[in-house]
Parts: sequence; C-alpha cells; structure tokens
Amino acid sequence: AQSVTQLGSHVSVSEGALVLLRCNYSSSVPPYLFWYVQYPNQGLQLLLKYTSAATLVKGINGFEAEFKKSETSFHLTKPSAHMSDAAEYFCAVTFNQGGKLIFGQGTELSVKP
Amino acid sequence: EPEVTQTPSHQVTQMGQEVILRCVPISNHLYFYWYRQILGQKVEFLVSFYNNEISEKSEIFDDQFSVERPDGSNFTLKIRSTKLEDSAMYFCASKTLGQGANEQFFGPGTRLTVL
Repeated sequence: AQSVTQLGSHVSVSEGALVLLRCNYSSSVPPYLFWYVQYPNQGLQLLLKYTSAATLVKGINGFEAEFKKSETSFHLTKPSAHMSDAAEYFCAVTFNQGGKLIFGQGTELSVKP
Repeated sequence: EPEVTQTPSHQVTQMGQEVILRCVPISNHLYFYWYRQILGQKVEFLVSFYNNEISEKSEIFDDQFSVERPDGSNFTLKIRSTKLEDSAMYFCASKTLGQGANEQFFGPGTRLTVL
C-alpha cells in the first residue's frame, strides 16, 4: 500500500541552525511528492514539489528537498532556521494526475531564539 | 493571485444536524477535493470530484456525506446528520489539468464543531 512516513512529530532547532525534516514514502509506482506548511489556524501552503524533473527541488522561504529514489526519501532542509519557520510541515504524495494526496503525520517545527 | 475560498470559516452545529460547507475553487481548475484534519492529527482525504462526478472516495466518506457542484463555481460538502466525531477542520482543494500540474491548491479551511 502507498504511504508516507514522517520521522519525528516534533523537531526543535535554534535560530540559524540547519532544519532537516524527514519524509519517506512507500510506493510501487513513481510518485509526485510535496511539502506543505501549515501555520497556526491557517490552511496548507505549498512549499515545494517533485514531479520527476529535477531531483533537487527548491521551494519558497529558502527550503529545498531532494528526491532519492534508492532511499524512497524526500527530506526537507533549510540551511538556516528563522523564527518565522515555526509551523507544522506535512509531506504528501500522489501517484497520478487527479489522484488524492496521501499525507504524512506532520512534523511540528519549533525555532528557539 | 487566484485562490480557493471556503465559507464559513467556523461552523458550530448540534449533533444530528445537517451542515453544508462551501468552497469556491480556482476558476480554471477541473479537479476538486475535500480533506479533513481532526485536531492534532494528519490531513485525511475524503473525496475527489472530476467531470461532475466523484472519482474517488475514502472509507470516511460514507452515506452521510455528499458533494455537489451546483452552479459551475461552488463545490459543496454536505454532512446529513453530524456526529461528534465529525468535528474537524475541512479543507477544499482544486487542481488544474495538464502534464506536471499535480499541485493541489488548498483553501483556508472550515472548522466544524459538533456539540
């Protein structure tokens, strides 16, 4: 069955430190992968997406993610955390044009001053 | 920039009552979705809608749920007889058609509270 796993429900980093949020997927067909961010009491905003063009994908707010087929991973990184990055981050996958998104459990990112 | 809108932002209802959640997808989009997020949990797929019919639905989407695109712009989710466990944030999303255009655009959500 197709699924998404986010390792770590809560990640805490210091301001200026590297952010690494982990996402692994399970699939028998090529996936389309996404990272969404959700700020408190708000909807889901797309950070970046992988759609089989380039394996290293750059998104908004300085985030990027690398698709590694051999590891079935799509980890999200940002070199230097900012206080405004504190939010919930969701990895999601779909497998066809109009298909549903399957979401991971989410990772809450806290940024300490 | 075009965006998905949802109304109301917050709906409070009594158990057993019917609710209708409304969404206006982005105008040239052809795929429409409803998801829900129970407090503290992950976002779950409910239903997808394309070409005026349901294309896929989850186990959550039972006979108490229905969707409609009544007028070519709105996309509604109806819950016929609400239960306490229907309390959640409901998100509408839409997507255009086209190669590589897999991104779903989400609305801000409707928080449904069933008392």
